Order: sequence, then C-alpha cells, then structure tokens
Amino acid sequence: NAGVMQNPRHLVRRRGQEARLRCSPMKGHSHVYWYRQLPEEGLKFMVYLQKENIIDESGMPKERFSAEFPKEGPSILRIQQVVRGDSAAYFCASSRQVDYEQYFGPGTRLTVT
Amino acid sequence: GNSVTQMEGPVTLSEEAFLTINCTYTATGYPSLFWYVQYPGEGLQLLLKATKADDKGSNKGFEATYRKETTSFHLEKGSVQVSDSAVYFCALNTGGGADGLTFGKGTHLIIQP
Repeated sequence: NAGVMQNPRHLVRRRGQEARLRCSPMKGHSHVYWYRQLPEEGLKFMVYLQKENIIDESGMPKERFSAEFPKEGPSILRIQQVVRGDSAAYFCASSRQVDYEQYFGPGTRLTVT
Repeated sequence: GNSVTQMEGPVTLSEEAFLTINCTYTATGYPSLFWYVQYPGEGLQLLLKATKADDKGSNKGFEATYRKETTSFHLEKGSVQVSDSAVYFCALNTGGGADGLTFGKGTHLIIQP
C-alpha cells in the first residue's frame, strides 16, 4: 500500500509567484491535513479537509493561502504571491475515518528567492 | 487552547544510555497523545500513541505513559542506538482524533557510538 505522496519534493519560487503543492492520500483515506514546519520550529496545523469540504481552516493564514480536496485527484495547497517568509517545509497527512490516525508524507520544501 | 511543551535539544547521549524526553501538555477536552519521529529529509512517522489516562504506548523499545494528573507523556527508552538519532515530536489532538495535531517544537536526539 503506497504511503502518502507529495509533489514536488522541492520547489523554488521567486517572490510574487504562485506555489502549488500536491498531496495524494493513502488508499482508502478520505481525510487530509496540511502542516507547515518553519526552520527550528515544530509543525503547525494549517487546514483539515475531507473530499470537497474544508472542515477546519483555523491555522491557515487569512490571505494568499487556499486549499482544496476535490472529488477526484490530489489535495492542493496553493500559495499566491509568495514571500520569503513562506519558505518552509509543508507536510500533508491523511487518515481514515475509523481511527483518524494520521500518516505523513515526505513533505515539500518550498524556497522563496 | 491546546499546547505542547517538550525539552529543548539537542540531547546527546552515548550508545546504550537511558533516554528520557520530557513532554507536558495543556488541552481543552480529553486529548489523545502521540510521539512522532522525523529522520533527516523525511516526513514524520508515528512512533507510539495513547488515547486515555494511564495507557502506555510502546514501539521499538520506546515507551510513554499518559499521565493525566501531571499532564505529561514522557518518552523513554532503556538502551539507545545510533540509529535512534532523529528529531522527536510530542503531539496531541482532541475532538475524538478528527482534527489537526498540536505539536511541540521537537527534540533533536544525537546518539554517539
């Protein structure tokens, strides 16, 4: 059973560009979570989604950030007009409804130049 | 709100030494508690968990006991190996598990031969 997949693994963007991060959950998992890890910091929860629904976005910055989990295809975390402070590792996790145990992907490391 | 405090690192030990990494928490509601491990360049892996008071989670020689009276979930291992070198994160969630995890800042463990 393939694990949680994230791509790209590394992404470099110039200030003002858009960044799109993709996450494919484990087979049979219908819940997706996004986290951000800043240098020397722990992971911070951003958003929790189920198929076609945002359940909790209490950790998402109010501007420039959005997330979706469509009926078909991967979950997407989109960052518009990136700034240097967006440079971080972004991790996706998925879970089943049965036990909600979260399995993490390898992360996307975003660098804004 | 929820928060997790864990000892700052790095923690440096010799092989076969006894390990303790302290973790305390505050939570609204009744949390589930977790330890995750992150190896260099990789995502997080669930190491162990406990979902109610006095439960002991264990895996790969690591143990942690859910102490409600002291709001703690300290990680222990009797004899560490070089391969245990990694960053360890204590985490919790509430709401029956179907929400985002709150993480501590992580403890970098270095085991010397």
